[in-house]
Amino acid sequence: GEDVEQSLFLSVREGDSSVINCTYTDSSSTYLYWYKQEPGAGLQLLTYIFSNMDMKQDQRLTVLLNKKDKHLSLRIADTQTGDSAIYFCAEGESDKLIFGTGTRLQVFP
Amino acid sequence: GAGVSQSPSNKVTEKGKDVELRCDPISGHTALYWYRQSLGQGLEFLIYFQGNSAPDKSGLPSDRFSAERTGGSVSTLTIQRTQQEDSAVYLCASSSIRVSGELFFGEGSRLTVL
Repeated sequence: GEDVEQSLFLSVREGDSSVINCTYTDSSSTYLYWYKQEPGAGLQLLTYIFSNMDMKQDQRLTVLLNKKDKHLSLRIADTQTGDSAIYFCAEGESDKLIFGTGTRLQVFP
Repeated sequence: GAGVSQSPSNKVTEKGKDVELRCDPISGHTALYWYRQSLGQGLEFLIYFQGNSAPDKSGLPSDRFSAERTGGSVSTLTIQRTQQEDSAVYLCASSSIRVSGELFFGEGSRLTVL
């Protein structure tokens, strides 16, 4: 079945870049997604990328997709303390998104 | 309301009791999902409703779990004879079929089974 894997933790210094990585197994997904979960809150869609794209940039966020290796990454430039959250990678179609375990990003001053 | 609403936000119950968790999706959203979030386990898909179609129940972990969606709107997730391993945050999400893949999540119902 489909599987999405992420590392559990990432700790970065404020102002540095953060890179969160994800690997997935289902190559048929039209979109791949990054969701953010702040403490005590539900998940919110952060960004997504079409499967026929290699890169998408949105302000401080850069998404890179390597379809050959089934690898997705999220880069956050100039990481701020407000970026501290759990970041979930997800793939699939609208009828069933498969989420990874989430990566807890901790930003320290 | 403007967002997905879930209740109760916290539920503590004794092993063996039944619990009901409620989800009120965003008005007009035809799709509704239940996920379970356990510590270190990520989000586990439970069930998916889309309009009047038969729900996709493939993620329900056992026959103690069931869900219904009345009138194409509010959904109730029922867990019978709760076990300690059912302790988790149960997240509901809804989406509009016009915007593929963007799920709008509620804040979740935290279930603790003693």
